Amino acid sequence: DAGVIQSPRHEVTEMGQEVTLRCKPISGHDYLFWYRQTMMRGLELLIYFNNNVPIDDSGMPEDRFSAKMPNASFSTLKIQPSEPRDSAVYFCASSLPGEDTQYFGPGTRLTVL
Amino acid sequence: AQSVTQLDSQVPVFEEAPVELRCNYSSSVSVYLFWYVQYPNQGLQLLLKYLSGSTLVKGINGFEAEFNKSQTSFHLRKPSVHISDTAEYFCAVIRNTGGFKTIFGAGTRLFVKA
Repeated sequence: DAGVIQSPRHEVTEMGQEVTLRCKPISGHDYLFWYRQTMMRGLELLIYFNNNVPIDDSGMPEDRFSAKMPNASFSTLKIQPSEPRDSAVYFCASSLPGEDTQYFGPGTRLTVL
Repeated sequence: AQSVTQLDSQVPVFEEAPVELRCNYSSSVSVYLFWYVQYPNQGLQLLLKYLSGSTLVKGINGFEAEFNKSQTSFHLRKPSVHISDTAEYFCAVIRNTGGFKTIFGAGTRLFVKA
């Protein structure tokens, strides 16, 4: 299996622009997680889905952030409008039904100027 | 609620020396415990986990960890480190009563020097 796939790997944008991050989980995994990693705050869970349904979005920082999972093989995390403080590495992870181990993608490094 | 404290933000060590990375957790319910490793510019990957049974857990790359319930600790050890072990290590917990919200510690950066 190719593992969790994230795109783009790097994104540089200007403040106020819309940013969309993409994730393809491992086939057969029905849990999908979005994390943000910064030096200041470490690794934070933003939202997670089970069977394409959002279960817990309490980590989403504010209304500028939204996430969707239209089908079992694709999810997006959107930031609109983006701000410099959104600069971070965003990770997607997935896990099997009933499995406690998460499998992480390589991350998207976002820089908002 | 659960929380995880990694007591050292950075640990420098010479190659072939032993190392211990410390992790303490707090939880009002029973938890599962994990160590993940993050190599530069990569995502996290599982090193080892404790679910139940033997309190000494062996993982990949020669790492092991011991669950100590009375001290609420889950310290990671390796008897002899290599340069390639240089990475960031995260301790994490998840409640074992359902749900998959994993709480990660702040991470410990291990530097292995020649």
